[in-house]
Amino acid sequence: GAGVSQSPRYKVAKRGQDVALRCDPISGHVSLFWYQQALGQGPEFLTYFQNEAQLDKSGLPSDRFFAERPEGSVSTLKIQRTQQEDSAVYLCASSFPGSEQYFGPGTRLTVT
Amino acid sequence: AQSVTQLDSHVSVSEGTPVLLRCNYSSSYSPSLFWYVQHPNKGLQLLLKYTSAATLVKGINGFEAEFKKSETSFHLTKPSAHMSDAAEYFCVVTGGQAGTALIFGKGTTLSVSS
Repeated sequence: GAGVSQSPRYKVAKRGQDVALRCDPISGHVSLFWYQQALGQGPEFLTYFQNEAQLDKSGLPSDRFFAERPEGSVSTLKIQRTQQEDSAVYLCASSFPGSEQYFGPGTRLTVT
Repeated sequence: AQSVTQLDSHVSVSEGTPVLLRCNYSSSYSPSLFWYVQHPNKGLQLLLKYTSAATLVKGINGFEAEFKKSETSFHLTKPSAHMSDAAEYFCVVTGGQAGTALIFGKGTTLSVSS
C-alpha cells in the first residue's frame, strides 16, 4: 500500500521567503509527527497531531514555524521568513496511536 | 528526560564480519527503545523495537539488539555484515508511551568494505 508521501522533495528558498511543506500520511493513521534533521544529525521532534488536534508543539524552534492538519489527514508545515539555519531535511511520520511510526522520504530545504 | 547516546559516529567493517553499533540510554522510567536505519535518499526504516517484553530483540535483515538495564545499553549487532548494510543507524527512545515523539541519537555511519 501507499506509504507516507511528502512534497516537494526538494525546496530552495531565498532567505526571508515563506515555504510550505506538505505531508500525506498513511490512510487511517490518526497520529502525525514532524521532525527536523540537520546535516549529520539525528532527527529532532517538532510537533505532533492526533487527528486535527495539535497536542504537542514543544519542538518548534521559533514562532516562524507553524503546522496545521485541518481535516485530520494532510498536514502542512509552514516556515515564515526563512533563515539559513532552517536548512534541513523535514521528515513527516504517521502512525496509529501507540504503534510504529512510518516515515516519509523527507523534504530537503535549502535556504540561500 | 529521556536521551540516547550513540558511542561511535562511524564504524567500518569488512563484509562477512560481525557488526556492533553501541547505544546507551537515559530514562526516568522503563523506556521503549528502537533502532532505525536510513539509506541514502531513502526514508527511515524501523529495524527493531524493545517494549519491555523479551530483552533480546530480533529485527529485520538479521539484526538484533539486547536490552541491558544494568548497563543502560541497547547495542545493535549482526553476525555477518553485507554490503547492503552500509547506511546510517539511529538509536531511538520514546519520550513517553509508544507512539509519542521519538528521541533520536546522533547516528552511526556503518561502512562495509569488500
